[in-house]
Amino acid sequence: NAGVTQTPKFRVLKTGQSMTLLCAQDMNHEYMYWYRQDPGMGLRLIHYSVGEGTTAKGEVPDGYNVSRLKKQNFLLGLESAAPSQTSVYFCASSYRTGAGYTFGSGTRLTVV
Amino acid sequence: GQQLNQSPQSMFIQEGEDVSMNCTSSSIFNTWLWYKQEPGEGPVLLIALYKAGELTSNGRLTAQFGITRKDSFLNISASIPSDVGIYFCAGRSGTYKYIFGTGTRLKVLA
Repeated sequence: NAGVTQTPKFRVLKTGQSMTLLCAQDMNHEYMYWYRQDPGMGLRLIHYSVGEGTTAKGEVPDGYNVSRLKKQNFLLGLESAAPSQTSVYFCASSYRTGAGYTFGSGTRLTVV
Repeated sequence: GQQLNQSPQSMFIQEGEDVSMNCTSSSIFNTWLWYKQEPGEGPVLLIALYKAGELTSNGRLTAQFGITRKDSFLNISASIPSDVGIYFCAGRSGTYKYIFGTGTRLKVLA
C-alpha cells in the first residue's frame, strides 16, 4: 500500500515561475486536502476537495489553484511563485467526514 | 477564526520520564486527533477521540477528550528515544476540515 504519494519531494523555483505539485492516493478516499507547513505556524489548509470534480478554498488559498479531475489525484498549482510560498507542502486524504487524515511525506519548495 | 493553542511548544526530557502535553481551543470541538511527525515525513495519526470525556490509549500513549470539549491532552509514559518528534493536535467542529495546533517538539535525552 502506497497510501498518499507526493511528487516531487524537493523543488527550487525562481520568483515568477510556475509549477504543479501532484498528490496521488490509492485508498479510494473521497476527501483530499493541501496544507502548507511553516515554522511556528503549524499546518494551514490551502484548498480541499470533497470528491472528484470539486474543490474549495481553505484558510490560505491566495496564489494557489487546484484541480481534482480524477478521484485519486489532487493537483496544487502555483502560477507565479513568490518567496512567501517557500514552505513544506503536505497532501492528505480521508475516507469520510470526521475521519483522521492520511498524509503524504511532503514536498519541500524553495522560491528564490 | 478558530485557533488551537498547543503547549508546551517544546520539551526536553530524560528517557524513561512521562510526558504530558495539551491543546486548548476557543471553540467547542466534536473530534480531536493527535498526530506525530518525524523529520522529513508527514504527520502520522496516533489517536482519535470522538466523545467528550473519552480516554483512549495506543501503547504507551493515552489521550483524553476534555469535558468542556475545548481541550485535549496527550500523555506518553516511560519515554524512549524514538518518541522524538513533533506532536500535533487537530480539532474539528462539524465541517470537513480539521484545524491543527502549532505542535509540541519533543526531544528525549538518553
